[in-house]
Amino acid sequence: EADIYQTPRYLVIGTGKKITLECSQTMGHDKMYWYQQDPGMELHLIHYSYGVNSTEKGDLSSESTVSRIRTEHFPLTLESARPSHTSQYLCASSDSAIATNEKLFFGSGTQLSVL
Amino acid sequence: SQQGEEDPQALSIQEGENATMNCSYKTSINNLQWYRQNSGRGLVHLILIRSNEREKHSGRLRVTLDTSKKSSSLLITASRAADTASYFCATSPGSNYKLTFGKGTLLTVNP
Repeated sequence: EADIYQTPRYLVIGTGKKITLECSQTMGHDKMYWYQQDPGMELHLIHYSYGVNSTEKGDLSSESTVSRIRTEHFPLTLESARPSHTSQYLCASSDSAIATNEKLFFGSGTQLSVL
Repeated sequence: SQQGEEDPQALSIQEGENATMNCSYKTSINNLQWYRQNSGRGLVHLILIRSNEREKHSGRLRVTLDTSKKSSSLLITASRAADTASYFCATSPGSNYKLTFGKGTLLTVNP
């Protein structure tokens, strides 16, 4: 069972609010990722980090920002939420120290609804 | 556009039957992985097959890879109601650990 946690599980907020989605892992993985997924659709990579103080934008443009101050913590922030941000946000991590094992461990996700 | 694309989009079978899902991709890959997602949850890694492998087994799962056709298949034998989930293939084009996912196949196993 993966030790990666996302909070909150569900979030319903009004337009214009600032929100932070939390993601923490206790496996000591150096790589962490944020994916966005709409119902019945593929996952889109929006942010990733290869270690502390390293963050990069993913393949899908996103108005969100991320930070990686500690290895275990990779929060995602939306400064001003809009209805178009309504989606499921999935956090994942992997361990590059195991060169032959590149699988991702996922959290349970945060379902965000912006009214 | 997505790298991997699963086929069929949805599959409904009876318990005990086998389920086969296919994945096609566009560019060369380092490895291909299959994940399962229960409704409203995160993804769980099932199996990884490398570009120099042709077939791999794990319990009731069998994965094949044909790099000449840029395709992979996932076979679940003797399916159970608990196998009901969406199944995604994900490809890694290199060693940068960035996976690209397809839209998934929704498998429903009826008791």
